[in-house]
Amino acid sequence: NAGVTQTPKFQVLKTGQSMTLQCAQDMNHNSMYWYRQDPGMGLRLIYYSASEGTTDKGEVPNGYNVSRLNKREFSLRLESAAPSQTSVYFCASNARQRGGTDTQYFGPGTRLTVL
Amino acid sequence: GENVEQHPSTLSVQEGDSAVIKCTYSDSASNYFPWYKQELGKGPQLIIDIRSNVGEKKDQRIAVTLNKTAKHFSLHITETQPEDSAVYFCAASDSGSARQLTFGSGTQLTVLP
Repeated sequence: NAGVTQTPKFQVLKTGQSMTLQCAQDMNHNSMYWYRQDPGMGLRLIYYSASEGTTDKGEVPNGYNVSRLNKREFSLRLESAAPSQTSVYFCASNARQRGGTDTQYFGPGTRLTVL
Repeated sequence: GENVEQHPSTLSVQEGDSAVIKCTYSDSASNYFPWYKQELGKGPQLIIDIRSNVGEKKDQRIAVTLNKTAKHFSLHITETQPEDSAVYFCAASDSGSARQLTFGSGTQLTVLP
């Protein structure tokens, strides 16, 4: 049981290049999320997927696209990277516990630098 | 939308002392308040959470209190240890099906030996 895995761990891009960040979870969770983390700003939600086949915008979706490939996998794509997208990206999945309590499990993160 | 403010941004305490981190939220519909701990180079990990029908919750050295009227909640860590040093985030959420969390900006806690 690996939990939430993300690839790659580190990436350097040039402005205008594209790339896809991969995320997978093996906990059979319905909901998955992509966040970005910037110094002094906490974690901000980019996109989320409440269930397989659905995706919705979060707080900061501009410049990103997502795909919920199946229940396990949720990818984040940068079509034309910009320096403002330099950040640490976290994927998470959500388990609704008995009684309605939720626990979001986070992956280890992808550190992206756009030059 | 929801706005969560967290204070202080940095906190240093002596080993064995207590640490308190405070958060306020803006949306009265929020009813779920988790706290996450993030160690260097890792993803955040849930350490404790509280729902709006409860005023306080404890788990060993960690406790969270909630004041719904004032819209603020706090994390209390007693008998701090060096391994408690990390960044702590509060968050708030309503009961929507996808449980979207709004995070505070984080507190860097340093426990001095």
